[in-house]
Amino acid sequence: KNEVEQSPQNLTAQEGEFITINCSYSVGISALHWLQQHPGGGIVSLFMLSSGKKKHGRLIATINIQEKHSSLHITASHPRDSAVYICAVRLSNTDKLIFGTGTRLQVFP
Amino acid sequence: DAEITQSPRHKITETGRQVTLACHQTWNHNNMFWYRQDLGHGLRLIHYSYGVHDTNKGEVSDGYSVSRSNTEDLPLTLESAASSQTSVYFCASSGNRVYEQYFGPGTRLTVT
Repeated sequence: KNEVEQSPQNLTAQEGEFITINCSYSVGISALHWLQQHPGGGIVSLFMLSSGKKKHGRLIATINIQEKHSSLHITASHPRDSAVYICAVRLSNTDKLIFGTGTRLQVFP
Repeated sequence: DAEITQSPRHKITETGRQVTLACHQTWNHNNMFWYRQDLGHGLRLIHYSYGVHDTNKGEVSDGYSVSRSNTEDLPLTLESAASSQTSVYFCASSGNRVYEQYFGPGTRLTVT
């Protein structure tokens, strides 16, 4: 079993829909990262969080440490949000990241 | 603007050849990382460095080596390329062990 599981693996949506991507992990962590990988391949960091909730524009990330679960929400989705969204956790007592396999999101006009 | 670059962006090589992938960052970051990305797997750590002359093995280091002679560069060498090393390789850097990592654009390597 992977230490970081994402769901769903693939997601399609119509423009304007509210999107939720989930990440569950089975290890002790010091932080969780959400990353975005565009079709061209580049990877950018969206959020790093260790508790609570963070918001940036239409993106919201939440984490529940007790339940070992995080969600990434996209409000009013747009075709330019189409990308692979990757969850990564930083293990406690180390600085290495373990990555989920990603969620491929396609938003259609 | 500071950035992290990788070269080449695409490479085709033959089994058994030595290949070096370059990674260069102008963030002045101490920490640099090499990952590979394959279908069905998340990014997996190959090697990493916390500073000049420091190198460490990641979870999939067999067949790869790195050296760190300055802050800006961490080249990744495949000593004798194998078809199993066909992958997309990403370099990343961070200024602090607990900060976010900045990723390069990736190198797509095909070993025939």
